[in-house]
Amino acid sequence: EVVLTQSPGTLSLSPGESATLSCKASQRVGSNYLAWYQQKPGQTPRLLIYGASSRATGIPDKFSGSGSGTDFILTIDRLEPEDSALYYCQQYGSSMYTFGQGTKLEI
Amino acid sequence: QVQLVQSGAEVKQPGASVKISCKASGYTFTSFYLHWVRQSPGQGLEWVGLMSPRGGITSNAQKFEGRVFFTSDTSTNTVYMELTRLTSDDTAIYYCARDHAVAAGACEHWGLGTLVTVSS
Repeated sequence: EVVLTQSPGTLSLSPGESATLSCKASQRVGSNYLAWYQQKPGQTPRLLIYGASSRATGIPDKFSGSGSGTDFILTIDRLEPEDSALYYCQQYGSSMYTFGQGTKLEI
Repeated sequence: QVQLVQSGAEVKQPGASVKISCKASGYTFTSFYLHWVRQSPGQGLEWVGLMSPRGGITSNAQKFEGRVFFTSDTSTNTVYMELTRLTSDDTAIYYCARDHAVAAGACEHWGLGTLVTVSS
């Protein structure tokens, strides 16, 4: 199984700054099938990015994904208080999908 | 619009089984895989498995091998997940989620979740 390790565990930033969240895979993610989700307290996860870099429907361009192989990044520009949430990466390039353990973003 | 309506909360004793339903609407039921993802209290997301509502194709995380079963009823557009031999570690919110329209494997639409509590 592909193990995804996210870092940092917690990230505290100020409004207007940019956030860089990392997701490292224990082996190459097939076809760069890597997704990012946002989850706010008491809410269901929301798909932000799929295919490592494609934004899901309705996701603002302040969210961007990059990377390939085993190293992936989620960048969030122009941070606002409402961006405070847990962020998870997920790989779906193998027959058994896996999630990372999450990064908590505090604004 | 796409909707996934899940069954209500369950309380089970250790060793029992639980069967959760997820009723889909707003799209062609058989055209997209459905996933099951769980979240233990205060913990992260954990992929449990997926199935094709057409039937015949399922996959699950290795830790659930032999303990989780997926079925579907195309007459009611409903999928089911049964988890057997429950332990307290299975206490979690269980979400069903539908594949993205283009990126099969990414979960675009989510149900609100079903809380399963395992306690004696």
